[in-house]
Amino acid sequence: DAGITQSPRHKVTETGTPVTLRCHQTENHRYMYWYRQDPGHGLRLIHYSYGVKDTDKGEVSDGYSVSRSKTEDFLLTLESATSSQTSVYFCAISPEGQNTEAFFGQGTRLTVV
Amino acid sequence: EDQVTQSPEALRLQEGESSSLNCSYTVSGLRGLFWYRQDPGKGPEFLFTLYSAGEEKEKERLKATLTKKESFLHITAPKPEDSATYLCAVRSGGGADGLTFGKGTHLIIQP
Repeated sequence: DAGITQSPRHKVTETGTPVTLRCHQTENHRYMYWYRQDPGHGLRLIHYSYGVKDTDKGEVSDGYSVSRSKTEDFLLTLESATSSQTSVYFCAISPEGQNTEAFFGQGTRLTVV
Repeated sequence: EDQVTQSPEALRLQEGESSSLNCSYTVSGLRGLFWYRQDPGKGPEFLFTLYSAGEEKEKERLKATLTKKESFLHITAPKPEDSATYLCAVRSGGGADGLTFGKGTHLIIQP
């Protein structure tokens, strides 16, 4: 298995509270990604990073922010959680981004009540 | 905008009954087509990468093929442990980096 650890694995939070999900990798890969997976939509890209402090938006970035202060850590923050952000969140890593495959973590199931 | 469509949405086979899953795609400059397997409650597990039409990759009972418009995942003599959701994804030369996924095919192999 690729060395990817997501934390927490499960979280229940209240509407309006901030939430931070963490992705930690031990592979020293340059590219890191956050996806969400919802029934009927498949996996959708939220944000990605192509290096320390280098991040960009994906398809469904509204309501989310990210930070990457170290190669091994990529944080996803929901500034003010809403029920529409209830989902399973996956982190992925890729050695070179374009042209190469991505490897996924085990996911974080987030419920916003 | 990149688009990936997988069919069928669900497929139930008897053990040993071979079949194929389809992935049709529309992208602006294909940089790679990827197949993943996903078990319930787990993250997607990488299977294959295909880069150009005519390319084929094999792994155990699985073989992936690629044309200019679609990819097939052929499953030969499947076993119950092949039951999973199979996801197809593409990377393109335009827009954000990252994969565009189809919604998957849920495969059930009955003993």
